[in-house]
Amino acid sequence: ETGVTQTPRHLVMGMTNKKSLKCEQHLGHNAMYWYKQSAKKPLELMFVYNFKEQTENNSVPSRFSPECPNSSHLFLHLHTLQPEDSALYLCASRNIAGGSETQYFGPGTRLLVL
Amino acid sequence: KQEVTQIPAALSVPEGENLVLNCSFTDSAIYNLQWFRQDPGKGLTSLLLIQSSQREQTSGRLNASLDKSSGRSTLYIAASQPGDSATYLCAVRLDTGNQFYFGTGTSLTVIP
Repeated sequence: ETGVTQTPRHLVMGMTNKKSLKCEQHLGHNAMYWYKQSAKKPLELMFVYNFKEQTENNSVPSRFSPECPNSSHLFLHLHTLQPEDSALYLCASRNIAGGSETQYFGPGTRLLVL
Repeated sequence: KQEVTQIPAALSVPEGENLVLNCSFTDSAIYNLQWFRQDPGKGLTSLLLIQSSQREQTSGRLNASLDKSSGRSTLYIAASQPGDSATYLCAVRLDTGNQFYFGTGTSLTVIP
């Protein structure tokens, strides 16, 4: 499955580091999502972008900063993270203009904050 | 806020068995419900989507049902195979908003 790609696949960072996660979709979709998946917890929606405009911010701490420069790319900028931010970060996309409800997910970035 | 619960959290069955996974949700004002599969360390793959006006959807050996009024959905897997081993998640979207609410998933192991 190469419709939605995420890089890097694995990331280890210290609490003072700054890093970015990248998501790219090759499906011609116009909505993109960031989710956080922690062990034993449901997927948590973080951010939603529709047509490059942010439409949802689910009370996410400011140490997470999303960026959507165009409808194919989505970034999640990370700075001064905490160990509890360690999780699998999943990106997804959807074609809202086509009325499709199906989200297509990338493989995720496994993040470990030391 | 919508709460989505999946029972059981883990299930182990011998190959060939039929099985049922359960999903319940607290707010019945849903727009649709989806079942996903997640393999270890990977993203989610959509299996079936049921609109709020529908009662069930089928794809191959999979059948998903929806009882909106009671806040329940089931995923039936017929003649299970080792390749079905994965975590199965359900997600609901409410009538309002763009948010999908996920359950914690059922981890399925099919033993050869």
